[in-house]
Amino acid sequence: EIVLTQSPATLSLSPGERATLSCGASQSVSSSYLAWYQQKPGLAPRLLIYDASSRATGIPDRFSGSGSGTDFTLTISRLEPEDFAVYYCQQYGSSPTFGPGTKVDIK
Amino acid sequence: QVQLVQSGAEVKKPGSSVKVSCKASGGTFSSYTISWVRQAPGQGLEWMGRIIPILGIANYAQKFQGRVTITADKSTSTAYMELSSLRSEDTAVYYCASSLYSGYAYNWFDPWGQGTLVTVSS
Repeated sequence: EIVLTQSPATLSLSPGERATLSCGASQSVSSSYLAWYQQKPGLAPRLLIYDASSRATGIPDRFSGSGSGTDFTLTISRLEPEDFAVYYCQQYGSSPTFGPGTKVDIK
Repeated sequence: QVQLVQSGAEVKKPGSSVKVSCKASGGTFSSYTISWVRQAPGQGLEWMGRIIPILGIANYAQKFQGRVTITADKSTSTAYMELSSLRSEDTAVYYCASSLYSGYAYNWFDPWGQGTLVTVSS
């Protein structure tokens, strides 16, 4: 099983700032089969990024993903008020696993 | 795009079983696989397993092998997740989520159902 770690656990930023979230894998994720999800309280997760760097339909271009192998990054270029949420990475190169999440909260 | 609607909240006794449904609409059921993901209160996401309706094959996370059964009824475009031998630690929101069918490969999850709260309490 591929174990994913995410850092930091919490990121405290102000609207308009840049957010950089990291996801690390215990072994290489084949074909960069990595996704990012956003989850707000009481709601189901929403797909943001798939295949490490492809934005899902309807996702604003301030969200971008990068990385390969064992190191991946989600960047939010300028935080909007609606972006404060928890973000999870997930690999699907093998039996799917999720990272523990990064909470982006308002500073 | 497919939409997923799940059954309502459940309260169960320890040792019993629960069966949650996930009805798909707006797409071709056989073009998707349906996974089940759970989230304990205040915790992260945990993949439990999936069903490939067109093949009638299910795969399970090792942690849940022997305790979870995922099935699909193609005639009603509905997937089911049954979890047995419930304990308090199974209290969680259970989500279904769809992926594009790509043979035996896995894919990202989009969209997700609204979630079903299962509470296990004596």
